[in-house]
Amino acid sequence: GAVVSQHPSWVICKSGTSVKIECRSLDFQATTMFWYRQFPKQSLMLMATSNEGSKATYEQGVEKDKFLINHASLTLSTLTVTSAHPEDSSFYICSARRGSNTEAFFGQGTRLTVV
Amino acid sequence: AQSVAQPEDQVNVAEGNPLTVKCTYSVSGNPYLFWYVQYPNRGLQFLLKYITGDNLVKGSYGFEAEFNKSQTSFHLKKPSALVSDSALYFCAVRGEDTGGFKTIFGAGTRLFVKA
Repeated sequence: GAVVSQHPSWVICKSGTSVKIECRSLDFQATTMFWYRQFPKQSLMLMATSNEGSKATYEQGVEKDKFLINHASLTLSTLTVTSAHPEDSSFYICSARRGSNTEAFFGQGTRLTVV
Repeated sequence: AQSVAQPEDQVNVAEGNPLTVKCTYSVSGNPYLFWYVQYPNRGLQFLLKYITGDNLVKGSYGFEAEFNKSQTSFHLKKPSALVSDSALYFCAVRGEDTGGFKTIFGAGTRLFVKA
């Protein structure tokens, strides 16, 4: 299957700082990438959908200015958590898809801890 | 609006016995249905999908799922469970009624297989 690499796997940052998470499709071009947030023992909550070269579409309740998404190429999307606070601590997962009729492949996730 | 329900938080089964993890969905138009598995602190791994064609879909690691349009169900099954199958399973649906074809995930079902 296709490989999606997410980096870093875990990060600890101080409150007020910004953190960037990268999501790369290693062996295919991803027309669409998705960012999810997962709370402990809960399902994935879709944060935003990003298409290469255009602005991300954010889900209701997700702050665009806090969670900056950039999808500069067909193989790379980044999520930047700006001015992070402890409540932003969570497991963030990206996924990438070749086309609309295909399944999505997931990165290994990033555990963010804000102290 | 599309939705997906996994009615069981947890399923317990003895090794060697058959297992079923339930999923029902609601979408407009033809559904795209998926099963994913998640191990602790990891991203999701794709198991199988239904787009069109045969109602019985075979996937990775011996898993299969049956699409039942009249019952709007897509239950995951395996004839003989292994201890290593213990994980968190997510059913997901994508419908034609969602702009951008975003995928919605169920709450997840934790599978415990006892030796």
